[in-house]
Amino acid sequence: DTEVTQTPKHLVMGMTNKKSLKCEQHMGHRAMYWYKQKAKKPPELMFVYSYEKLSINESVPSRFSPECPNSSLLNLHLHALQPEDSALYLCASSQGGTTNEKLFFGSGTQLSVL
Amino acid sequence: DQQVKQNSPSLSVQEGRISILNCDYTNSMFDYFLWYKKYPAEGPTFLISISSIKDKNEDGRFTVFLNKSAKHLSLHIVPSQPGDSAVYFCAASGTGYTGANSKLTFGKGITLSVRP
Repeated sequence: DTEVTQTPKHLVMGMTNKKSLKCEQHMGHRAMYWYKQKAKKPPELMFVYSYEKLSINESVPSRFSPECPNSSLLNLHLHALQPEDSALYLCASSQGGTTNEKLFFGSGTQLSVL
Repeated sequence: DQQVKQNSPSLSVQEGRISILNCDYTNSMFDYFLWYKKYPAEGPTFLISISSIKDKNEDGRFTVFLNKSAKHLSLHIVPSQPGDSAVYFCAASGTGYTGANSKLTFGKGITLSVRP
């Protein structure tokens, strides 16, 4: 299994809603990532979990809350988002615990905030 | 400050010809370079990588060249196919477990269109 699986593929939410994005990998990778990507822009790193511990938070607003229940799962909890948070949210994983390795990306969740 | 630059936003080539996608970097600590391919509304897919101990790496139709002195790398696709039409991101990182150099830094991407 060489896939990173993300659900849901699409999500529409209001600014007062609470929702969660889910990510799963079964490659035994030790680092998992959340990226945000706007159209025609490069992926922007949000969070990194290394060996199930949060190792990097790129000064992301608290309305985004990551969670790593175990080494295969990564969640991103969303609350009180703004329309400008609409983007493609990508989960990725890498084999070791370091962040300078090849990343395997999921297909993303296209989020629209109304 | 953009540490990885893909200065040409788009490239159009004829099917069967060579596509050359360029990437420049400014951080001399970068020693590992990757190319990703991305279709709309999908995640990036790893294509090919090269470490700074090499100047060329080849995988099928894809070859990456690295010129360390010029801080420049290029991706060659030969022959180009319509299915290669996508956005191509160059990414770079340095060694070490912490600090800015330890994370992958992406360029803005180049949109490749291969005309049938």
